[in-house]
Amino acid sequence: QSVLTQPPSISGAPGQRVTISCTGGSSNIGAGYDVNWYQQLPGTAPKLLIYGNNNRPSGVPDRFSGSKSGTSASLAITELQAEDEADYYCQSYDSSLSGMFGGGTKLTVL
Amino acid sequence: QVQLQESGPGLVRPSETLSLTCAVSGYSIGSGYYWAWIRQSPGKGLEWIGSIYHGGSVYHNPSLKSRVTISVDTSKNQFSLNLNSVTAADTAVYYCARPRSGTYYSAFDYWGQGTLVIVSS
Repeated sequence: QSVLTQPPSISGAPGQRVTISCTGGSSNIGAGYDVNWYQQLPGTAPKLLIYGNNNRPSGVPDRFSGSKSGTSASLAITELQAEDEADYYCQSYDSSLSGMFGGGTKLTVL
Repeated sequence: QVQLQESGPGLVRPSETLSLTCAVSGYSIGSGYYWAWIRQSPGKGLEWIGSIYHGGSVYHNPSLKSRVTISVDTSKNQFSLNLNSVTAADTAVYYCARPRSGTYYSAFDYWGQGTLVIVSS
């Protein structure tokens, strides 16, 4: 069981907006550690989508955005497209210097 | 362009030691950054195994710490993972990765393609 909790699955129709939550605790997200988000397509390595809570690497569309508040973080995807269907993971660190990932959320585009 | 490539046996027998190497190109490990190992069991999520700095500082996942050794060889520009006393639960795709910035608490920006290791007799 992951320390960072994500919904196992979400779905949305093309063009819609969806959000994925990532809930941690006072020793990780709540302690001020940044949250990062990754997209993983089937059979491929994860790809960095959001770093430092709300920053996009070069090449990531601005349809993807991140936010953080208290002990939680969220990834929002607007104008949903078929190509967004993938697994999404949040990641952070905790005060014991351990890295950690959320359990992952499978996004289905209807 | 930084590239990472995992290599090692695809099959390991139970109770033995899993050994993997990550070869780095496009960047000198000795110049900095924390280099990480991450795994993903079939159909499951990602699990951080540990990270090593070129100077030797190592951080491990507490759940694996007693079985994990991570080392770096700057002369070969590679770093390695040893996981001993493996069981079927250690069957996974193992990734090596490098973070985006030189600080420890950074996102993983560069990933290897991953290598599947199956633990079975």
